Amino acid sequence: DTEVTQTPKHLVMGMTNKKSLKCEQHMGHRAMYWYKQKAKKPPELMFVYSYEKLSINESVPSRFSPECPNSSLLNLHLHALQPEDSALYLCASSHFPRRNTGELFFGEGSRLTVL
Amino acid sequence: GESVGLHLPTLSVQEGDNSIINCAYSNSASDYFIWYKQESGKGPQFIIDIRSNMDKRQGQRVTVLLNKTVKHLSLQIAATQPGDSAVYFCAGTLQGGKLIFGQGTELSVKP
Repeated sequence: DTEVTQTPKHLVMGMTNKKSLKCEQHMGHRAMYWYKQKAKKPPELMFVYSYEKLSINESVPSRFSPECPNSSLLNLHLHALQPEDSALYLCASSHFPRRNTGELFFGEGSRLTVL
Repeated sequence: GESVGLHLPTLSVQEGDNSIINCAYSNSASDYFIWYKQESGKGPQFIIDIRSNMDKRQGQRVTVLLNKTVKHLSLQIAATQPGDSAVYFCAGTLQGGKLIFGQGTELSVKP
């Protein structure tokens, strides 16, 4: 069982909706990540939070808005998404935010469908 | 540009045989590599990692080999089992310390 918990597991939303994806870990990790994964493709990095501060934004459109309320929680706020944003959104955490030489622990993902 | 890539998108092996999954990378400055296994409907799961100052590392039924001369990484799975069926990704640290994933190889194990 993964120690990174993501909710909801499935989400269907219209292009005018506002929704949020949530991620939680209690391993004491200080780096948290959002990845996007399309079918049969590798995960693509979106955002990295290091010590609750946004350290990497991979030029992600502003309709995706990350938030890190505390060291255990990571949210991804969604607004005015497009059908091509439909994908599996993976949250991950790790011990080492900058050197990135530690294992990433992934959640099971939130499967998003935009109609 | 920098890349981490796998040689074959699919691999089919007989149960009990050994599996070898290959990966090539382009950035000689990469100093850390990880193999992940992703089963259908699940997130990637860590298998084994290796640092650039090593050329081999062994785990339970798995071995990772790193050849820095030709920038090649491989994952060997001994006595492959049906539960090993999944997509396998190699990932490497590239510029800026980001972890970049290769394209993935889908391993199918025939009973």
